[in-house]
Amino acid sequence: SQQGEEDPQALSIQEGENATMNCSYKTSINNLQWYRQNSGRGLVHLILIRSNEREKHSGRLRVTLDTSKKSSSLLITASRAADTASYFCAFTRIQGAQKLVFGQGTRLTINP
Amino acid sequence: GAGVSQSPSNKVTEKGKDVELRCDPISGHTALYWYRQRLGQGLEFLIYFQGNSAPDKSGLPSDRFSAERTGESVSTLTIQRTQQEDSAVYLCASSLGGYSNQPQHFGDGTRLSIL
Repeated sequence: SQQGEEDPQALSIQEGENATMNCSYKTSINNLQWYRQNSGRGLVHLILIRSNEREKHSGRLRVTLDTSKKSSSLLITASRAADTASYFCAFTRIQGAQKLVFGQGTRLTINP
Repeated sequence: GAGVSQSPSNKVTEKGKDVELRCDPISGHTALYWYRQRLGQGLEFLIYFQGNSAPDKSGLPSDRFSAERTGESVSTLTIQRTQQEDSAVYLCASSLGGYSNQPQHFGDGTRLSIL
């Protein structure tokens, strides 16, 4: 498959715990992005990491990228109930770079 | 508004009818994308417009699907002779340019239900 694969498909944790979601892909990429989707809404861009970067932070979010393993992870620290959403990784291939290829998403539930 | 606007938000129609979905991108965004999202799934690329360049239609699933964009503004996605498998949420996104390092900004989508 040319799509990204995300793991786990669903994750349920207690408020305050950390949540880690993983994304794997099979092609050479320009960059990888993470998006959040609340139920019934569009996607919201969270963070972009370039292929020559290994780690990036934004607030409570930490993203890593390992191009040798073709994988990325999204860590949300000190989770809150409002973090409940689906999270998608998306990447642009070196060829056809304008098109984002999405993973199937991880459904994250934060229990109060 | 400042965001991507899509209309209608919901559309229910009978099999065989044509439907037209509309997207108003963020002002100044030259790139516009259409995606399809089936229930519980990721996004499936449909078509991409960038400025005055020929659109990338490589994701359109059949010749029943077409899209147009007027300059760098409104886009419409048309589905002719709708089938039940067309039921999905259709999402539109725009970005500053057709560059891979630009984040895409999404509308809330049109939920299409084919009876």
